[in-house]
Amino acid sequence: NAGVTQTPKFQVLKTGQSMTLQCAQDMNHNSMYWYRQDPGMGLRLIYYSASEGTTDKGEVPNGYNVSRLNKREFSLRLESAAPSQTSVYFCASSLENTEAFFGQGTRLTVV
Amino acid sequence: AQSVSQHNHHVILSEAASLELGCNYSYGGTVNLFWYVQYPGQHLQLLLKYFSGDPLVKGIKGFEAEFIKSKFSFNLRKPSVQWSDTAEYFCAVQDTGRRALTFGSGTRLQVQP
Repeated sequence: NAGVTQTPKFQVLKTGQSMTLQCAQDMNHNSMYWYRQDPGMGLRLIYYSASEGTTDKGEVPNGYNVSRLNKREFSLRLESAAPSQTSVYFCASSLENTEAFFGQGTRLTVV
Repeated sequence: AQSVSQHNHHVILSEAASLELGCNYSYGGTVNLFWYVQYPGQHLQLLLKYFSGDPLVKGIKGFEAEFIKSKFSFNLRKPSVQWSDTAEYFCAVQDTGRRALTFGSGTRLQVQP
């Protein structure tokens, strides 16, 4: 079982460039999430999607957009990358009121 | 809004020492509670979870946690740590109506052989 798959694993962007982080899960989960992880700050929720066709802002949504393409896929887009968006990004999924399963992460550096 | 506090940011122990990591949360409603572990360079993996019932929860690799509702706490314990327990540990809270998890800032555990 693949679980939660994120692509790419590593990315370097120049300030102002755009990119999309891809996430797919094969566990038939309704809910999907995007978190960013920064040293000393734990994981902070960027956006989440409780079901196909719905998305909601989390704690730190500024500078990001998301698309819940179908039940399996939830993408995160940076329209104009900034150095403050240098981070490790994790996608996760879950059923209602259960634990979340995490992908391997995307390490993004914005120079 | 709910928040999670992990009081120990960096803990260094010798092998066979006992471990207790603190976690407190602020939220007045019903919550689910989790501890996740992140080994170096890897993604988060679930150690244990509490939804209801017995407040003493046992997880994988000999870890356990106790939910004390009156103290809004969910501390993680292990009687005897091993070098392989070196990792970062995250406490997380889930508002049962909201689904998304709120994480603490993490505790880095370093176990010396």
